[in-house]
Amino acid sequence: DGGITQSPKYLFRKEGQNVTLSCEQNLNHDAMYWYRQDPGQGLRLIYYSQIVNDFQKGDIAEGYSVSREKKESFPLTVTSAQKNPTAFYLCASSISTGHGYTFGSGTRLTVV
Amino acid sequence: AQTVTQSQPEMSVQEAETVTLSCTYDTSESDYYLFWYKQPPSRQMILVIRQEAYKQQNATENRFSVNFQKAAKSFSLKISDSQLGDAAMYFCAYNAGGTSYGKLTFGQGTILTVHP
Repeated sequence: DGGITQSPKYLFRKEGQNVTLSCEQNLNHDAMYWYRQDPGQGLRLIYYSQIVNDFQKGDIAEGYSVSREKKESFPLTVTSAQKNPTAFYLCASSISTGHGYTFGSGTRLTVV
Repeated sequence: AQTVTQSQPEMSVQEAETVTLSCTYDTSESDYYLFWYKQPPSRQMILVIRQEAYKQQNATENRFSVNFQKAAKSFSLKISDSQLGDAAMYFCAYNAGGTSYGKLTFGQGTILTVHP
């Protein structure tokens, strides 16, 4: 079955560490997105990519980095510059504008 | 920038009853799309319904329907014959279309509780 796979489901980060969240899709979607979800808030866009080797900053890109070397993969790195990284992270993909997203099951990141 | 507002942080409904969740948005675009997503306790986001702004007819998906008022910039979700499985966080979302690159702007969500 086609879908989006995020891993790991839970991730713990020590202060000063970089961590990478994986997002893989087999839907043949061109566009991929990373969102952050905090309690009591909606989803906020971190980065998005419309095509391989190209990506754009979203509304809250500071402290995060991404790459898009393959159509299927859009990993997110949470760097030590992100001061409050504890959150739920959702990856999504879309076949085109206006069709909405298919979401992964999310990664819960906690700073320890 | 476009904004999406869900003014009801929490709503509750009795099983088999009808409930309406509110959403308003702010945009200067004429071509756009609106969505309702459901996030159950598993936190998996599920697309509930989609509306294209140029279509006057309100979208319907089984027990779910919308009331799209373009002039008022309002997009409410009606759930009929509510079921226990409808309990979730519901998000309204906006996509500008055109060169927006498919980016969605989400509201803050409404927690729906369904009482047996």
